[in-house]
Amino acid sequence: QVQLKESGPGLVQPSETLSLTCTVSGFSLTSYSVSWVRQPSGKGPEWMGRMWYDGDTAYNSALKSRLSISRDTSKNQVFLKMNSLQTDDTGTYYCTRETGRDWGQGVMVTVSS
Amino acid sequence: DIQMTQSPSFLSATVGDRVTINCKASQNINKYLNWYQQKLGEAPKRLIYNTNSLQTGIPSRFSGSGSGTDYTLTISSLQPEDVATYFCLQHNSGPWTFGGGTKLELK
Repeated sequence: QVQLKESGPGLVQPSETLSLTCTVSGFSLTSYSVSWVRQPSGKGPEWMGRMWYDGDTAYNSALKSRLSISRDTSKNQVFLKMNSLQTDDTGTYYCTRETGRDWGQGVMVTVSS
Repeated sequence: DIQMTQSPSFLSATVGDRVTINCKASQNINKYLNWYQQKLGEAPKRLIYNTNSLQTGIPSRFSGSGSGTDYTLTISSLQPEDVATYFCLQHNSGPWTFGGGTKLELK
């Protein structure tokens, strides 16, 4: 059974760095890509970036200067790091497999002092 | 980046109605268009992928069509459990982009 689960802090201070982990099971990160998608409350989703099955990465150009995605295949984990957080980065962050086939439950992140 | 314009943004319908939701891309997306249902507090659920392929386990009252820049999600007979927000997603080229969403309510 395919599962993805996001984890990370619920509250981040402005200007600090967000670190999230997506832990997957039921499939291999060397066979499937995983993307990060975020969604401000009451708004549509925004694709942030992707870790390809071969280890390559792709980023939304609007976030590229602040965003880094990496992985640890031995732990079945994909990581997101985004720096210089502001209040408009508040929202729910999801990881998803392939072209949005399977999703994690999401993690709510609030940027506030 | 490809822009996705979704309409309507809000829809009120009666149980049993035929409902259609549209997405228009700013350029040809070669049928790389998915539809999602999102209920309050939940993650999006993929209903349709690549324009017209029904995700396993999704009721057959959901269907998708389209080509080029214009795509449609149809619910053939609306059920109470279909109350949700619906999004389209293009994954043809460049960054994925989502439509703005359609909030579907019962009249």
